[in-house]
Amino acid sequence: DQQVKQNSPSLSVQEGRISILNCDYTNSMFDYFLWYKKYPAEGPTFLISISSIKDKNEDGRFTVFLNKSAKHLSLHIVPSQPGDSAVYFCAASNRNALNFGKGTSLLVTP
Amino acid sequence: GVTQSPTHLIKTRGQQVTLRCSSQSGHNTVSWYQQALGQGPQFIFQYYREEENGRGNFPPRFSGLQFPNDSSELNVNALELDDSALYLCASSLQGTIEQYFGPGTRLTVT
Repeated sequence: DQQVKQNSPSLSVQEGRISILNCDYTNSMFDYFLWYKKYPAEGPTFLISISSIKDKNEDGRFTVFLNKSAKHLSLHIVPSQPGDSAVYFCAASNRNALNFGKGTSLLVTP
Repeated sequence: GVTQSPTHLIKTRGQQVTLRCSSQSGHNTVSWYQQALGQGPQFIFQYYREEENGRGNFPPRFSGLQFPNDSSELNVNALELDDSALYLCASSLQGTIEQYFGPGTRLTVT
């Protein structure tokens, strides 16, 4: 059963606008959440993480928001750039394993 | 960074395969993931100080080794068609959450 869900397979955003990628989870025991970016023929690259005791973490253009009561997190990218076009994976940490969603393919158009 | 070999591999059903990974310098933990087409990576197992330190829902024909020199192996016996996937190795420091991925090995079982 999928404990981490990314319900939008794809998203298209204009350059300069905000990209919002969403993720839902079912297991309340997850203690950390992470976002990874993946380009074709490369492994996932770590972007940003957030502890379950926080509700926001910011790193440059990337901000992750966590809503524990709704078991929902989102990644905001502002402003979006063409180089951000990639597949984004949401992951949740359960002891030593990362549980991944299926990914959302982001396309940033000029 | 994390390196993996080979890049691509084609095997026949019933054969055995060994995939290799070299961790990022200074990292003492290695995890292996299987990513089927259109899915997120799935946790196979993790090794710390050369011992298995957690395992996902994979049968015993998936086994691993971690060596003192930061390298590790994933072995799969009695290959099945469903084993066709991208196999990702990730290294980390024990006690930290972020895992750093290699580019993966694409295994095709015919």
